[in-house]
Amino acid sequence: EAAVTQSPRSKVAVTGGKVTLSCHQTNNHDYMYWYRQDTGHGLRLIHYSYVADSTEKGDIPDGYKASRPSQENFSLILELASLSQTAVYFCASSAGTGGTGQLYFGEGSKLTVL
Amino acid sequence: AQKVTQTQTSISVMEKTTVTMDCVYETQDSSYFLFWYKQTASGEIVFLIRQDSYKKENATVGHYSLNFQKPKSSIGLIITATQIEDSAVYFCAMRTIYGGSGNKLIFGTGTLLSVKP
Repeated sequence: EAAVTQSPRSKVAVTGGKVTLSCHQTNNHDYMYWYRQDTGHGLRLIHYSYVADSTEKGDIPDGYKASRPSQENFSLILELASLSQTAVYFCASSAGTGGTGQLYFGEGSKLTVL
Repeated sequence: AQKVTQTQTSISVMEKTTVTMDCVYETQDSSYFLFWYKQTASGEIVFLIRQDSYKKENATVGHYSLNFQKPKSSIGLIITATQIEDSAVYFCAMRTIYGGSGNKLIFGTGTLLSVKP
């Protein structure tokens, strides 16, 4: 039973349109993350959150917003999608700072911006 | 600055042999955790093995083991008796406990392993 689920799994968006990627976790974890994967760049952190109603910028936050309305849910929002945001996006969760930091990943969301 | 580097872009080995994937890291923190993750062809990313920086013993899980060389800031992944299903992309990652990075993992760019019959 998947503990981190993402939706949609695949999406085609138009340039300038708004895109929302959603993530739901049942791990009871405090931390949630959004990573972006591009060929040759590995996984890069966009935004993360350690508590509901609060988000933090990661390493590449420009062009993205995040929302954490509850402990279980974390969304990534592209207000004005651009071609350069075509990528695979992964949501993940982890326990609090007292843990090892091990991440549990969702299945990924493939976003194509045309 | 904190950084994780995997210089091997791809490796090809024959089935049932042993392979080592390299990873070096940079951190100013005295305590940290190092991870290896596997990404399968379907895109799924799964945790494989972890090394705690304060432990001298190399971690081992199944046919995965680590070669932790702290003075060299190196954490190699060793897969023994490779199987076709080990073909995947392997990511090295580091989590630091201090230094303002919070509970974040920094990833390397990955190594594509191909295991041939």
